[in-house]
Amino acid sequence: KQEVTQIPAALSVPEGENLVLNCSFTDSAIYNLQWFRQDPGKGLTSLLLIQSSQREQTSGRLNASLDKSSGRSTLYIAASQPGDSATYLCAAYTGNQFYFGTGTSLTVIP
Amino acid sequence: DTGVSQNPRHKITKRGQNVTFRCDPISEHNRLYWYRQTLGQGPEFLTYFQNEAQLEKSRLLSDRFSAERPKGSFSTLEIQRTEQGDSAMYLCASSLYANTGELFFGEGSRLTVL
Repeated sequence: KQEVTQIPAALSVPEGENLVLNCSFTDSAIYNLQWFRQDPGKGLTSLLLIQSSQREQTSGRLNASLDKSSGRSTLYIAASQPGDSATYLCAAYTGNQFYFGTGTSLTVIP
Repeated sequence: DTGVSQNPRHKITKRGQNVTFRCDPISEHNRLYWYRQTLGQGPEFLTYFQNEAQLEKSRLLSDRFSAERPKGSFSTLEIQRTEQGDSAMYLCASSLYANTGELFFGEGSRLTVL
């Protein structure tokens, strides 16, 4: 069974810093990996989707990379802002199910 | 495209009562997923449909839980004889079936069992 792990569980940074969130998965046979943002009490908002044939995707200040062979993905956030404070989750898609990590709770301090 | 819609957003019920949640997916999406999420955890898979067919159901799911997707459009998730341990956020998501499908979530339905 696919297992997805996110480290660290929580992260606190001052505004303006660049940061990296990590996601690892045990089975490299994935179709894609998706990063989500979740605000308290809300649903998940899709941030970036990386297909298995891709190495990275970018959207604004966000850049996600994928290394299938090592079972790792990273989400890079540039010039962090207080509005980036949220929980970030990654999900590995196997063709039927999406397997989620437990998320990294990010706090950006003004 | 109005996104994935879930109702009700919040339900408070007494232990032993039945509750039903509804999910309206993005209109052209043929896959629909239900997840359960508790505080500090990632979404836990419950079941998914492709069109009207329920293709997979979590083995951890009690037989008190049932889901339907008549005509391959909206879906309902019913919990019978609720227990306090059922208190959680119930999330619905949809995707356009393909190997490269992107998953879109609704805002969730929060269940509180007293």
